[in-house]
Amino acid sequence: GENVEQHPSTLSVQEGDSAVIKCTYSDSASNYFPWYKQELGKRPQLIIDIRSNVGEKKDQRIAVTLNKTAKHFSLHITETQPEDSAVYFCGTGNQFYFGTGTSLTVIP
Amino acid sequence: DSGVTQTPKHLITATGQRVTLRCSPRSGDLSVYWYQQSLDQGLQFLIQYYNGEERAKGNILERFSAQQFPDLHSELNLSSLELGDSALYFCASSLSHGRNTGELFFGEGSRLTVL
Repeated sequence: GENVEQHPSTLSVQEGDSAVIKCTYSDSASNYFPWYKQELGKRPQLIIDIRSNVGEKKDQRIAVTLNKTAKHFSLHITETQPEDSAVYFCGTGNQFYFGTGTSLTVIP
Repeated sequence: DSGVTQTPKHLITATGQRVTLRCSPRSGDLSVYWYQQSLDQGLQFLIQYYNGEERAKGNILERFSAQQFPDLHSELNLSSLELGDSALYFCASSLSHGRNTGELFFGEGSRLTVL
């Protein structure tokens, strides 16, 4: 099946700094790349996604960049806030396989 | 609220027992996915149904089975339970299936504890 690798597994940043999480994938046929945020004890929720016909998508403080040639995509969070603290998962295509998750902690 | 309903929210049972988890997808969604999330672990894909038919299988144990009914709700059956089956089980739904499904809407999960 699809192999999705996500790095780093944990990330701590100071409030106001930026955070970047990267995923690589193996299935070159994938054209959909979502990012989900899961707060402690809650369900995963989509925060941003990108399709392969664009290289970057931005929504306020979050953005996703895609490099289809290199088969990687990244989540960028700017001006981080304590409420950004959560686990973030990347997925691809059919979303059968997700990255192993990045636990982001924003230190006030 | 995602529109996906899972019951029960919590379930405590003993080893060797059998339980059924239920999921009602978001109105209009035809595709249902089941995932297992153990403590501090990622989302492990179990199985997907689309409009009543099984579409894909992931790392689902033979002791586990699922089905999707004509009204599109789905049930995940877990039998001969072991301690290691303790986990949070998520159901998710989407409108379509295939390689590029679009957003998944997750339920709140069913937390299973096996003692």
